[in-house]
Amino acid sequence: EPEVTQTPSHQVTQMGQEVILRCVPISNHLYFYWYRQILGQKVEFLVSFYNNEISEKSEIFDDQFSVERPDGSNFTLKIRSTKLEDSAMYFCASSAGQGSSQPQHFGDGTRLSIL
Amino acid sequence: GEDVEQSLFLSVREGDSSVINCTYTDSSSTYLYWYKQEPGAGLQLLTYIFSNMDMKQDQRLTVLLNKKDKHLSLRIADTQTGDSAIYFCAETANDYKLSFGAGTTVTVRA
Repeated sequence: EPEVTQTPSHQVTQMGQEVILRCVPISNHLYFYWYRQILGQKVEFLVSFYNNEISEKSEIFDDQFSVERPDGSNFTLKIRSTKLEDSAMYFCASSAGQGSSQPQHFGDGTRLSIL
Repeated sequence: GEDVEQSLFLSVREGDSSVINCTYTDSSSTYLYWYKQEPGAGLQLLTYIFSNMDMKQDQRLTVLLNKKDKHLSLRIADTQTGDSAIYFCAETANDYKLSFGAGTTVTVRA
């Protein structure tokens, strides 16, 4: 069964450094998402992306965050200058189409630890 | 805004049925989902239900939706040790964003 893959599984970064989290969505999917889960808290929506532009973003997704689909297969989340509070599990998801009947499929996540 | 609430823990004996409950506040929710997270793994889609349905059954899983009370439940029949995981309820009112509950940790005891 096709799946969403994320790399790395664990990223440790010094505060203030840039970090790029990578995702390979399911190949025929057109909609891409990032979520995060701070330890002990709910999974929170960050951003959705379609047709090479952001469809919707949350308040969390400020100027320090950016997303990109640099080629036909990867979808990346960049945090420009990491803060301690960016430490979380980051999940990538993709869906085949628009509409809630096209459920989102998630990767296994990247655990980001900011020191 | 959207708010999704779940009880945090459920302990069930192997072979019994598990019932995980969820309430949500957004009356414009169109689809409601159940995801499963095993230790160290991502969010696995289990099932979902459209808001104009009352019930959906998929093998051992039964989803019940009470739209008037904004209450969703997931019943797992004949619970097995492999069902031990965190179960997340999620809803969406648009096409782009899921709102999740905090997750219910289900522990299956022998």
